[in-house]
Amino acid sequence: GQQLNQSPQSMFIQEGEDVSMNCTSSSIFNTWLWYKQEPGEGPVLLIALYKAGELTSNGRLTAQFGITRKDSFLNISASIPSDVGIYFCAVTGGAQKLVFGQGTRLTINP
Amino acid sequence: GAVVSQHPSWVICKSGTSVKIECRSLDFQATTMFWYRQFPKQSLMLMATSNEGSKATYEQGVEKDKFLINHASLTLSTLTVTSAHPEDSSFYICSARVPRGYNEQFFGPGTRLTVL
Repeated sequence: GQQLNQSPQSMFIQEGEDVSMNCTSSSIFNTWLWYKQEPGEGPVLLIALYKAGELTSNGRLTAQFGITRKDSFLNISASIPSDVGIYFCAVTGGAQKLVFGQGTRLTINP
Repeated sequence: GAVVSQHPSWVICKSGTSVKIECRSLDFQATTMFWYRQFPKQSLMLMATSNEGSKATYEQGVEKDKFLINHASLTLSTLTVTSAHPEDSSFYICSARVPRGYNEQFFGPGTRLTVL
């Protein structure tokens, strides 16, 4: 089946640092999505990417859709405590189904 | 816009009983909803696709007789876990697809099921 490789699995950083995570796939996809999930909650869409090479920002978050359509990265600048959570990449597969990466767990030390 | 709710947010039940979880799209109509399952420290795994007015489509390995899905209206899908057992304990999350633009999915807040 379709698989996404998301890395790193976890990150422990100091408040104020920048964060970078990425997802890769062996298949081409036309849509890359980045979600954030906080404990006991459902995922919340952060950024959606629909065109290869597209670079999109949402506040301190920036994501890019790789030119090969097989990868994407998410950057968070100047991290703050509320950035803590699990970040998932996802792609739209067949029948509009979402396939998720394994997640990156972000922990921030104040 | 694009708000999805779930009820209940958590439920504890005895082994052998059935539990129903509701998923509602509050400010849009959703012809398609999805049900996911998430175990601790793992990613979301799609269980089934719920289509309004027709039978659900289940992913490989998901027992359709155990996880009954009903999408009776454009704003409500229900998941019933029948004859629940402790191994069914998990976090169940639904999503609804917005039928315009890029068909983005928005997620509910999840339901924590604990089977004793």
